[in-house]
Amino acid sequence: GENVEQHPSTLSVQEGDSAVIKCTYSDSASNYFPWYKQELGKRPQLIIDIRSNVGEKKDQRIAVTLNKTAKHFSLHITETQPEDSAVYFCAASNPNQGGKLIFGQGTELSVKP
Amino acid sequence: KAGVTQTPRYLIKTRGQQVTLSCSPISGHRSVSWYQQTPGQGLQFLFEYFSETQRNKGNFPGRFSGRQFSNSRSEMNVSTLELGDSALYLCASSLSVSGTSYEQYFGPGTRLTVT
Repeated sequence: GENVEQHPSTLSVQEGDSAVIKCTYSDSASNYFPWYKQELGKRPQLIIDIRSNVGEKKDQRIAVTLNKTAKHFSLHITETQPEDSAVYFCAASNPNQGGKLIFGQGTELSVKP
Repeated sequence: KAGVTQTPRYLIKTRGQQVTLSCSPISGHRSVSWYQQTPGQGLQFLFEYFSETQRNKGNFPGRFSGRQFSNSRSEMNVSTLELGDSALYLCASSLSVSGTSYEQYFGPGTRLTVT
C-alpha cells in the first residue's frame, strides 16, 4: 500500500550546522510533496513543498530536492538556529486521491546553541 | 484571512460514549481533511470531504464518520469510544480540486482523551 518512510527519527545538530532529512515514497503516482514543521503543542505548519515537475526548490535557509526515479525527496536546512528545533514531517499526495496526504513518521530536530 | 479553527480544543470522554468535533476551514477552501495524530502511529489520514461529499477515506473503522455542510464546515464523529481513540485530531483545509494536489493548512487540533 501507500507508504512514506522518513529518516532519521531524531537529529541533533549544533547551531549553524546543516540538517538533512530524507523521505522515500512508494506510490509512483504521487506528484506533490509538502514538508511540515510542528513545534511542541502546536499545529503542523507548511514550510515548503515541491511538485514532481521540479527537481529542487529553495526558500531562504530551507531547500527541498526530489528524485522521481528513486522516489525520494529530502529537506535541507542550512545555518540552523535554535528556533528550528521541532518535529518535521514529510508527506506525499497522489492527485487522484484528492486531499489525502500520506505522512512520514517524523524527525525530531534539536539545534543546540 | 482567518486560519482553520477547530472546536472544542480539549475533550475528556468515557469509553463507550460518542463525540463530535468541528472544523471551520479557511474562507474559500472547499476541501477539509481529517487526521489522527498519536505518538505511536504519527499522522494518519481519516477522510476528506469536498463539496459536502466524502472524496476519500483512510483505514479506520466505521465508528469514525464525518460530514460537511454547504458552508464547507466539517464535523467528525466517533461513536463507541475506545481508549485507543485518545489522540490529537487535526483537520486541514485546502483549495484542492480533482486531479490536483494543493497546500493543506492545519487547524490547532482537538485533544481527545478517553478514560
